[in-house]
Amino acid sequence: DTEVTQTPKHLVMGMTNKKSLKCEQHMGHRAMYWYKQKAKKPPELMFVYSYEKLSINESVPSRFSPECPNSSLLNLHLHALQPEDSALYLCASSQDPTVIAKNIQYFGAGTRLSVL
Amino acid sequence: GIQVEQSPPDLILQEGANSTLRCNFSDSVNNLQWFHQNPWGQLINLFYIPSGTKQNGRLSATTVATERYSLLYISSSQTTDSGVYFCAVDYGGSQGNLIFGKGTKLSVKP
Repeated sequence: DTEVTQTPKHLVMGMTNKKSLKCEQHMGHRAMYWYKQKAKKPPELMFVYSYEKLSINESVPSRFSPECPNSSLLNLHLHALQPEDSALYLCASSQDPTVIAKNIQYFGAGTRLSVL
Repeated sequence: GIQVEQSPPDLILQEGANSTLRCNFSDSVNNLQWFHQNPWGQLINLFYIPSGTKQNGRLSATTVATERYSLLYISSSQTTDSGVYFCAVDYGGSQGNLIFGKGTKLSVKP
């Protein structure tokens, strides 16, 4: 089973709202990732959690706040977003980021976010 | 940083035709993955292929690491093969940071 589950599938929010995206995997993977994908563009890395610790933050604005409560769950908290933050947000996981052959990433179906 | 270039950017095929997609990368890589993104946005793993050749049904992939390129072959294409094909590499600069190419958009006509 290589399933990464993301909820919700779609989200519409105003610029003053606070919302959260959720990602879950039960494959025992120890790395989890958030990517942002704008229309007709490739995914771009936002955050990496390795063994439940934030290891990479690709200069993402503070209105995006990641959280990794345990090894199976990854959240992305959203606050005071801008319309240009509208995008597909993808979560991925990999078995062990410290071992090259175990760093195959598996992606969820994504959350399509619209900021009004 | 590492550059990942995919070609062609767009490809239109008649159902049943074969195609070859190319991915060039500018530096040595630890990991190379091919993905298919369907019209609903789901990124589907096709191959993990840092070197060598693999086959899975009508799809096969070859990576020549010493020459820094990878090829994805699609044979007897079907309309369900439509979507965007991404090559992504991890060059080891960060823990598991996949750098994606811009993708090849494939349209298979019935």
